[in-house]
Amino acid sequence: EIVLTQSPGTLSLSPGERATLSCRASQHVSSSFLAWYQQKPGQAPRLLVYGASRRATGIPDRFSGSGSGTDFTLTISRLEPEDFAVYYCQRDSSFFGQGTRLDIK
Amino acid sequence: QLQLQESGPGLVKPSETLSLTCTVSGVSVSRTSFYWGWIRQSPGKGLEWIGTIYYSGTTYYNPSLNSRVTISIDTSKNQFSLWLTSVTAADTAVFYCARRSQVAGRAFDYWGQGTLVTVSP
Repeated sequence: EIVLTQSPGTLSLSPGERATLSCRASQHVSSSFLAWYQQKPGQAPRLLVYGASRRATGIPDRFSGSGSGTDFTLTISRLEPEDFAVYYCQRDSSFFGQGTRLDIK
Repeated sequence: QLQLQESGPGLVKPSETLSLTCTVSGVSVSRTSFYWGWIRQSPGKGLEWIGTIYYSGTTYYNPSLNSRVTISIDTSKNQFSLWLTSVTAADTAVFYCARRSQVAGRAFDYWGQGTLVTVSP
């Protein structure tokens, strides 16, 4: 089974800063089926990026995804207050990473 | 407008079967572009994919739950359902139903609000 490992576990940053979240797969993952989600407390996850780099409908362009093979990255260029949440990567419409919590510093 | 709504008992006894239904509105579950899935989240934990179903009845399950999970679909009611047998306290979680879109790289692009199921005597 291909395992997704996200790092860091927690990231503490200030509004306006740049956030870089990592998702590493134990084996090659098709970038066509690598997705990122955002989840806020008490809410369902929201799709941010699919196909490793394609923003979902309505997602601001400060969110960008990149990577291929075993290493994928979600970048938030300038953090807004509403971006502080937990982020998950997912492969092949199935297994998720354990999540990265983005906290306000 | 597309909506997914989970329904079912919020409390299930240990060793019994958990049963949930997701009612979809705004799109037909028979649309060939979509699959339909269940995901759960234990309190304070991450997301766990449970399984996915296509309108034809083809299913894909998480191997860790495979022996206890069944997902079915009722196209006439525009619903799909989850059964999880022999539950224990470890199955206490918020259960989400979601749409998997072939257009969106097979990602889950629409989610229900989630329903908490507690396993307790």
